[in-house]
Amino acid sequence: GDSVTQTEGQVALSEEDFLTIHCNYSASGYPALFWYVQYPGEGPQFLFRASRDKEKGSSRGFEATYDKGTTSFHLRKASVQESDSAVYYCALGFAQGLTFGLGTRVSVFP
Amino acid sequence: GALVYQYPRRTICKSGTSMRMECQAVGFQATSVAWYRQSPQKTFELIALSTVNSAIKYEQNFTQEKFPISHPNLSFSSMTVLNAYLEDRGLYLCGARDGASSAETLYFGSGTRLTVL
Repeated sequence: GDSVTQTEGQVALSEEDFLTIHCNYSASGYPALFWYVQYPGEGPQFLFRASRDKEKGSSRGFEATYDKGTTSFHLRKASVQESDSAVYYCALGFAQGLTFGLGTRVSVFP
Repeated sequence: GALVYQYPRRTICKSGTSMRMECQAVGFQATSVAWYRQSPQKTFELIALSTVNSAIKYEQNFTQEKFPISHPNLSFSSMTVLNAYLEDRGLYLCGARDGASSAETLYFGSGTRLTVL
């Protein structure tokens, strides 16, 4: 079946550090790819998506590029802030629903 | 923007009893609603996908007999957890699709956290 793998379970950074979270997917078709962010006590919030190879999605300074060749959709942010502390989920989607990765907990310290 | 409200935010029920949770889409037409359960052990488990005027599709390990869902219009859905037991604990999330925009994007509510005593 379809699956999403996030390499990092937890990431600890200082403010203004560069953030990378690696996401790789396995799917039988050509899925849309997503990033969601979840804060404590809340549901996951949609960050952005990409639907085709080489398409870049971005929001709030975060970005990721759909790479069909390496089946990846890595999340990056050039300079993180304490308010970016949250759990980030990569997901792939077809008409029948979204499949999520296990999430990456990002902690940013002042 | 697309907003999804879920209520109650938290609920506690005794083992063997049932509880109902509701999901309201505001500002868009929720042509499809996906119900998920989030738990520390299993991240997001898709329970079922409900599309207005179509049959509700349940995932393996989830049944209509245990998790009946109603999706009567483009702004509202509800799900009941029947005969809840400890293994049903978790955060139940409603994700709604905007029929007017990107087909697969789900907008989630804050969830209903179920505790079973």
